[in-house]
Amino acid sequence: DQQVKQNSPSLSVQEGRISILNCDYTNSMFDYFLWYKKYPAEGPTFLISISSIKDKNEDGRFTVFLNKSAKHLSLHIVPSQPGDSAVYFCAASYGNKLVFGAGTILRVKS
Amino acid sequence: ETGVTQSPTHLIKTRGQQVTLRCSSQSGHNTVSWYQQALGQGPQFIFQYYREEENGRGNFPPRFSGLQFPNYSSELNVNALELDDSALYLCASSFRTHRGSGNTIYFGEGSWLTVV
Repeated sequence: DQQVKQNSPSLSVQEGRISILNCDYTNSMFDYFLWYKKYPAEGPTFLISISSIKDKNEDGRFTVFLNKSAKHLSLHIVPSQPGDSAVYFCAASYGNKLVFGAGTILRVKS
Repeated sequence: ETGVTQSPTHLIKTRGQQVTLRCSSQSGHNTVSWYQQALGQGPQFIFQYYREEENGRGNFPPRFSGLQFPNYSSELNVNALELDDSALYLCASSFRTHRGSGNTIYFGEGSWLTVV
């Protein structure tokens, strides 16, 4: 039962361009959505979150958009930098736990 | 750096053995959650501890158990290890009030467990 899905296993983007990572969910009870970035051999690093009552949250180069009617959220990174290359996980919060997607590998080419 | 520390970072165990993993939560955080991340997958929720009591559990068998101590640090214990238990075990800390959890959840670096 995959309640959170990241349908793109990988994404390749040129340095300086926009990276768009997508996430779909099925459970309308989720109240927060979070994005984490993970390098190999490290734990996930919190990037940005959004409450279910909002449709956009911005923090520097990172913007998260939430479309509740479509049960879809996306993370925009502008401009993309080589250091952004990592695995990005979308997570949804319900009660006391996070439900994660399988992750998207982002490669930013210089 | 998140302030969440885990130990050990890597360990190898034999099938049937028992393992204890440890986590110190970020200063000011009173809630600890444990996640299992298998290769190629996202982290899966094991359980959460709040005020030294289990506060929710994912789809894991009873041989996965835990503790939270008065200083909010935590242990994850796995008995009768199986080959499929090989994974990265992540500890996450957060601050919870009576109204529920906030949206700030920080992870440690994880403990890599290999069962042979």
